[in-house]
Amino acid sequence: QKEVEQDPGPLSVPEGAIVSLNCTYSNSAFQYFMWYRQYSRKGPELLMYTYSSGNKEDGRFTAQVDKSSKYISLFIRDSQPSDSATYLCAMKGNTGGFKTIFGAGTRLFVKA
Amino acid sequence: DAGVIQSPRHEVTEMGQEVTLRCKPISGHDYLFWYRQTMMRGLELLIYFNNNVPIDDSGMPEDRFSAKMPNASFSTLKIQPSEPRDSAVYFCASRLSGTGSRETQYFGPGTRLLVL
Repeated sequence: QKEVEQDPGPLSVPEGAIVSLNCTYSNSAFQYFMWYRQYSRKGPELLMYTYSSGNKEDGRFTAQVDKSSKYISLFIRDSQPSDSATYLCAMKGNTGGFKTIFGAGTRLFVKA
Repeated sequence: DAGVIQSPRHEVTEMGQEVTLRCKPISGHDYLFWYRQTMMRGLELLIYFNNNVPIDDSGMPEDRFSAKMPNASFSTLKIQPSEPRDSAVYFCASRLSGTGSRETQYFGPGTRLLVL
């Protein structure tokens, strides 16, 4: 079993839809939770960052962390064609030497 | 800031040849990471450095892979000899030590390697 599980998709939605992307994990030591967005033929770039449990909102994006269920989510409201990309969840422990573990990424297509 | 710089952006080589990938991290960052990304395996950490010292190379697939960081502004990933299964996109990333949002890794544009 992988430490981080993420459905690779692809996920196709119409413009304006609410998108829900999710990851589950097995390591209870993870404290930092991130979502990266990767456009085709580009490197990943940080989209959202959350420490421990709770919600964080940034514009149309909301990140949720439920440590009791070992489950994290990214919601995109009013999705746009420019949101079409691969979204990777990432997690890290609370010790400096811990590696960041990435999910496989979910490919999202937003149709105009 | 120019961000993380990688070269070459594309590399096509024949099986058995030596391949050297290069990375210049963001100035002042003290962590540097090398990743490999494929459709089958996703984004895999190969090795990372802290203050130019290799900390964890457990992700390096075989002895054919080696990485160096001779100074704070330059790192190389070498594959010798290369094999077709090494074909992938190789990313370099850097970050600044600290807590909070400093956990952010900044990725370069990647090197797309094809071994024939």
